[in-house]
Amino acid sequence: GQNIDQPTEMTATEGAIVQINCTYQTSGFNGLFWYQQHAGEAPTFLSYNVLDGLEEKGRFSSFLSRSKGYSYLLLKELQMKDSASYLCAVRVSSGNTPLVFGKGTRLSVIA
Amino acid sequence: DAGVTQSPTHLIKTRGQQVTLRCSPKSGHDTVSWYQQALGQGPQFIFQYYEEEERQRGNFPDRFSGHQFPNYSSELNVNALLLGDSALYLCASSLAAGYTFGSGTRLTVV
Repeated sequence: GQNIDQPTEMTATEGAIVQINCTYQTSGFNGLFWYQQHAGEAPTFLSYNVLDGLEEKGRFSSFLSRSKGYSYLLLKELQMKDSASYLCAVRVSSGNTPLVFGKGTRLSVIA
Repeated sequence: DAGVTQSPTHLIKTRGQQVTLRCSPKSGHDTVSWYQQALGQGPQFIFQYYEEEERQRGNFPDRFSGHQFPNYSSELNVNALLLGDSALYLCASSLAAGYTFGSGTRLTVV
């Protein structure tokens, strides 16, 4: 089976930095995705990692360690609009295959 | 460039009824995947269509069926609705390895 774990909820202060962790145990691995989802809206793509290391994109960074089955999403200079759910998803094989999602982490940014 | 379009946005049905949800993929995308997202949960894969055929299927009963048309648009059909089918149904289109999600259809079964 496929198992992807993330914390259910997190709270952080505006302007701060927050790290959302994701661990996975899947039958295969061909990339890890992070999506942001505001309530009632479509998931929107944030980042993609297929090799070990850190990918930086503006205020968002994502890290992957394939040997540990571990990733994190780092959000810097938090803004109120960052309050949303963050979904970790794994593509378990190559090509245009479906994603396996974790349950998501609901982040609340407070003043 | 229009993204993924889903219709309707909201729907209320009674137990035992049937429902059809529709998805128009992003321009140029040839593959459509459907996901069910219960409240507070991550999306669960239902099935994927490519070249008008079901290519992969998740762990969902046969009450869930689909179709893809020559223009790549897709339908999700659910028969004999149960209360537990209440969820947000997301469509994602893709080409190669890039996925774009629609805003979903919120289905409530009463």
